[in-house]
Amino acid sequence: AQSVTQLDSQVPVFEEAPVELRCNYSSSVSVYLFWYVQYPNQGLQLLLKYLSGSTLVKGINGFEAEFNKSQTSFHLRKPSVHISDTAEYFCAVSDPSGYNKLIFGAGTRLAVHP
Amino acid sequence: GAVVSQHPSWVICKSGTSVKIECRSLDFQATTMFWYRQFPKQSLMLMATSNEGSKATYEQGVEKDKFLINHASLTLSTLTVTSAHPEDSSFYICSAPATNYGYTFGSGTRLTVV
Repeated sequence: AQSVTQLDSQVPVFEEAPVELRCNYSSSVSVYLFWYVQYPNQGLQLLLKYLSGSTLVKGINGFEAEFNKSQTSFHLRKPSVHISDTAEYFCAVSDPSGYNKLIFGAGTRLAVHP
Repeated sequence: GAVVSQHPSWVICKSGTSVKIECRSLDFQATTMFWYRQFPKQSLMLMATSNEGSKATYEQGVEKDKFLINHASLTLSTLTVTSAHPEDSSFYICSAPATNYGYTFGSGTRLTVV
């Protein structure tokens, strides 16, 4: 069975500082990995995804993530955050054998302070 | 492209009544729809997977008779919460596989049962 662990439930950071949101997964098969952002009372928006190929994935809003197979990690980074980045961030994994369900981590609340 | 429209956004109902939530794929055909439930400050938990023209597959612990899912066409999937009780109050989100292994999410429905 697949699982996702987001190591930090909350990450406070000052505006324009860099940030890293951590995600580790476990799976007995190869996986697809995703990061989503959720603003209050809204659905989820895809930030980026790793399917194959280059381990460094660039997404929207200046975010990027690096797939590390040996450490089973897929950490999300941004070099300089804005107030508008304050939201809930979810890491997710799916089995690449078809359009299977996404398994989500518990989420990380990113709070950007002025 | 790949937009899922979810309605209603907010609904308040009396205990014992039923509520229907609709998810429509606007510009693509959604043969599969995933239904998630999210409690405050928690992650998304998959409730069921619906496939057009066939019975939904429910996750362990989800009551089939309480959460009725219908996927009668390639553009519409519905979730009906029957005989709703306060403990059913939650945020419900639908999601459909989109192109290139992306998943598109509805904007969510906040259900409050009083």
